[in-house]
Amino acid sequence: NAGVTQTPKFRILKIGQSMTLQCTQDMNHNYMYWYRQDPGMGLKLIYYSVGAGITDKGEVPNGYNVSRSTTEDFPLRLELAAPSQTSVYFCASSYSDRTEAFFGQGTRLTVV
Amino acid sequence: AQRVTQPEKLLSVFKGAPVELKCNYSYSGSPELFWYVQYSRQRLQLLLRHISRESIKGFTADLNKGETSFHLKKPFAQEEDSAMYYCARGQGAQKLVFGQGTRLTINP
Repeated sequence: NAGVTQTPKFRILKIGQSMTLQCTQDMNHNYMYWYRQDPGMGLKLIYYSVGAGITDKGEVPNGYNVSRSTTEDFPLRLELAAPSQTSVYFCASSYSDRTEAFFGQGTRLTVV
Repeated sequence: AQRVTQPEKLLSVFKGAPVELKCNYSYSGSPELFWYVQYSRQRLQLLLRHISRESIKGFTADLNKGETSFHLKKPFAQEEDSAMYYCARGQGAQKLVFGQGTRLTINP
């Protein structure tokens, strides 16, 4: 059972480039989330989804887009990368809004 | 906005000493509170949640609504407890709001 898998683990982007951070889970969880963690800070919610076809903004959605076409996948798209998006990105999933959230191992993104 | 505050970024104690990691939250209704832990080179994982009232790896956390606190405690720290600890609050649809985290170091 792989749990939550994020790819890639590391990436360096140039300013203005775009990329997609992949997240997939094999636990049949309804809820999925994207967080970013800046140095010395806590995790901030970017986007979340409560089921396939449903997404909503979190605390810091600007500069990002998501889609949820299947239960398993919740990709995060960065358009026109900026240095302010340098961070560690975590994907998570949970069965419901009252159960434990399981996290991926994180993606370390640097924008130069 | 809901807030979770962990006032200590770094905490260092000696092995065998008691440890307390502080967490305060902004008040609103009936909170769901959690402690997550990230050991070196491992992913973030749930340590405990207030509704379960469990003791996990010797850690306990009591919700104090009067003080809006959810401090994490362990009477005798062990070296393997060294990790990053995050307090988090659920606010519907498991939209977890995290504190800044506390890096706990247990000295031998």
